Amino acid sequence: EVVLTQSPDFQSVTPKEKVTITCRASQTISSSVHWYQQRPYQSPKLLIKYTSQSISGVPSRFSGGGSGTDFTLTISSLEPEDAATYYCHQSSILPYTFGQGTKLEIK
Amino acid sequence: QVQLVQSGAEVKQPGASVKVSCKASGYTFSNYYIHWVRQAPGQGLTWMGTINPIDGSTTYAQKFQGRVAMTRDTSSTTVYMELSSLTFEDTANYYCARGGAFDLWGEGTMVTVSS
Repeated sequence: EVVLTQSPDFQSVTPKEKVTITCRASQTISSSVHWYQQRPYQSPKLLIKYTSQSISGVPSRFSGGGSGTDFTLTISSLEPEDAATYYCHQSSILPYTFGQGTKLEIK
Repeated sequence: QVQLVQSGAEVKQPGASVKVSCKASGYTFSNYYIHWVRQAPGQGLTWMGTINPIDGSTTYAQKFQGRVAMTRDTSSTTVYMELSSLTFEDTANYYCARGGAFDLWGEGTMVTVSS
């Protein structure tokens, strides 16, 4: 199966800071990589689909990129409400898999 | 309103089975596969499998093969996930999610396995 490894596992950041989360796949995959935000006691919420496609209603400070085995989620200017855990996910090769998650703490 | 509404929390004994429902509304049921994802307390997300709402065909993660069954009822636009031979390790929040990019999620159903 495709193993997705996110880095970092945890990051403590200040508001307005730029944040980049990386997702590395164990083999080359297509652009079917998606990113989710999960706040405590909530369901995951789709932020970016198919590597870089934006989602209606999601703030424009969230963007995605990458190809091959390396993918990124960037938050251009962190807001306090962005405190959450972020997951990457691939739907390119069965079984579908998720990264282990990156927890963002706001200082 | 476009939504997936799941059934309520369950408490089961080891060895039992649990059946969780996910009712879709506000969109054309046949247009989107439904996936099931689980999350153990304090842990990450694990994909369990998916069902095609048109013909009911399924694909399961190998980890759950032989123990999971996903079905659908087109008349009520509801998808079901049944997990059998429960162990303590099956204690988790079970989510249904829609489509290729999982763009819509249910609220989750907490299943607790306890003796």
